[in-house]
Amino acid sequence: QSVLTQPPSVSAAPGQKVTISCSGSTSNIGNNYVSWYQRLPGTAPKLLIYKDNNRPSGIPDRFSGSKSGTSVTLGITGLQTGDEADYYCGTWDSSLSAVVFGGGTKLTVL
Amino acid sequence: QITLKESGPTLVKPTQTLTLTCTFSGFSLSTSGVGVGWIRQPPGKALEWLALIYWNDDKRYSPSLESRLTITKDTSKNQVVLTMANLDPVDTATYYCAHRVRQLGTFDYWGQGTLVTVSS
Repeated sequence: QSVLTQPPSVSAAPGQKVTISCSGSTSNIGNNYVSWYQRLPGTAPKLLIYKDNNRPSGIPDRFSGSKSGTSVTLGITGLQTGDEADYYCGTWDSSLSAVVFGGGTKLTVL
Repeated sequence: QITLKESGPTLVKPTQTLTLTCTFSGFSLSTSGVGVGWIRQPPGKALEWLALIYWNDDKRYSPSLESRLTITKDTSKNQVVLTMANLDPVDTATYYCAHRVRQLGTFDYWGQGTLVTVSS
């Protein structure tokens, strides 16, 4: 059971928009920066979003992050088949003194 | 540019101790704010954070695994070593090391990962 809760799967058609939610508590999301990671099949995780809504250089602006209270959302617009991957949210939990991840969300581009 | 690479055994027997080495380049673990973490992913399961070490030798461990883990750094060799004691088949996973900047609170560069299988 992960500390952060994500939907197991989401799906959308190519060109459409999808959102992936991640919920936690005041000890983690509510008071710490959140990151989003993309894990394409057979590859290492890749940072997509950091500090809630910042994109590293090289990440297209189709990817966006937002935060409200103890929940965060990853948005992906203009979906491409190459976006099919597992997506994870992660942050620091001040009560646990630990890095925590969500259970991951599998994105299917139909 | 920043790169990290994990190395270690691919097959370990139950009850043995696993030693993994992360060799990195493009940054120094003597730079203020810089850290290296270990994360694993069992087949078909989610990412699980294991341990973290910072430039000032501040060490953090997953509460559920703390009794079995030790993380150390060798700044001169640009290496971070993770040992995990008393292995069990449930520890079978791909193990990753990753670069972290404390102020950003994120793992921004990851190694390719190394698959460790625990089996007799």
